[in-house]
Amino acid sequence: NAGVTQTPKFQVLKTGQSMTLQCAQDMNHNSMYWYRQDPGMGLRLIYYSASEGTTDKGEVPNGYNVSRLNKREFSLRLESAAPSQTSVYFCASSEWEGASEAFFGQGTRLTVV
Amino acid sequence: AQSVSQHNHHVILSEAASLELGCNYSYGGTVNLFWYVQYPGQHLQLLLKYFSGDPLVKGIKGFEAEFIKSKFSFNLRKPSVQWSDTAEYFCAVDDYKLSFGAGTTVTVRA
Repeated sequence: NAGVTQTPKFQVLKTGQSMTLQCAQDMNHNSMYWYRQDPGMGLRLIYYSASEGTTDKGEVPNGYNVSRLNKREFSLRLESAAPSQTSVYFCASSEWEGASEAFFGQGTRLTVV
Repeated sequence: AQSVSQHNHHVILSEAASLELGCNYSYGGTVNLFWYVQYPGQHLQLLLKYFSGDPLVKGIKGFEAEFIKSKFSFNLRKPSVQWSDTAEYFCAVDDYKLSFGAGTTVTVRA
């Protein structure tokens, strides 16, 4: 019973490097989300996908891109990492947007040096 | 999108003390309300949720929350905390995008 699986769990990048955070869910959920968590700021929505084939910007989308590869998978890409993107990233999914509980992955701790 | 305010950044309690965490959101209409908990080193887990009906909702581990529509509030309570309740607590509001408050760190001293 995996739920929401994120890879990698930890990553250190140099400024300017690129990387993709992977997320997959096995609950047949329609909606998926990417959040970043920073001390004192709670979770802020980066991008979300209400359903397969759609993506929308959240509160803090600059410097990120996403791909909803299929119903199960939703990846987050940093094209040119910056120290300001040092954070813990959480992927989440819900049955549909607006009316259901979100389930979270274990998080990816990203450090950009 | 909703703005969610949590009143306390850090609360320190002794075991058996009562806990109340405040949460307000920015505007009305039909919203769904949640409290999530994040234990040290773990991911977020749902404590309780309110969609409609009885404004007093009960969740896991003895937590409850009261929805007061006129005050745009959804406060979390627990009558008697335990050391294992040490965690960060997040209020969230869903009106087609799930928005979180900044979180409240709760430290329970044995």
